Amino acid sequence: AQKITQTQPGMFVQEKEAVTLDCTYDTSDQSYGLFWYKQPSSGEMIFLIYQGSYDEQNATEGRYSLNFQKARKSANLVISASQLGDSAMYFCAMREGGLTGGGNKLTFGTGTQLKVEL
Amino acid sequence: DAGVIQSPRHEVTEMGQEVTLRCKPISGHDYLFWYRQTMMRGLELLIYFNNNVPIDDSGMPEDRFSAKMPNASFSTLKIQPSEPRDSAVYFCASSFSGGVETQYFGPGTRLLVL
Repeated sequence: AQKITQTQPGMFVQEKEAVTLDCTYDTSDQSYGLFWYKQPSSGEMIFLIYQGSYDEQNATEGRYSLNFQKARKSANLVISASQLGDSAMYFCAMREGGLTGGGNKLTFGTGTQLKVEL
Repeated sequence: DAGVIQSPRHEVTEMGQEVTLRCKPISGHDYLFWYRQTMMRGLELLIYFNNNVPIDDSGMPEDRFSAKMPNASFSTLKIQPSEPRDSAVYFCASSFSGGVETQYFGPGTRLLVL
């Protein structure tokens, strides 16, 4: 079974609109972390936002927020006020296990290609 | 502060040649990861180190691949001999175990084996 599922291979959004990129995960661990990365066409992987499994509040970083629904095992990325520079591939990733003792591997989803249009 | 540094950024080589990719992690980070990204297989973890010691190399595709981390500020990924199917983008990432363990990626090395 896939540990990280991103069901939207491609998304379009109008500039200045909000967009939600879906991510569901599968784990039996109680302690885990969820990450979103952005990969523009230039190729680098840019860390955007992190959510810990025990965090009660949804994470926010500027225009990025993470809609964390633990019971549904979903960690959707919301980008508000989209900009042309947001056009990129977006990856959801999960770190299983605790914060110490070697539980530091990330499993990545297949990504969602976002295109922001005028 | 400088991020993760990788060299070379691009490498074109012929089948059978040895390829060495280099990585300098962020200072103070105690984990280092090597990933490979292809269209077919996505982002795959090859190997990772903790405090310069290899912890998990189960993702290394075969014996042609080897990785070393002689000190906290340098790691290499070597392919010998290289094959066309090794063509991919290779990323190095590092993280610090004392925080939320976010992995920060280098710019990647785009490898083309002819």
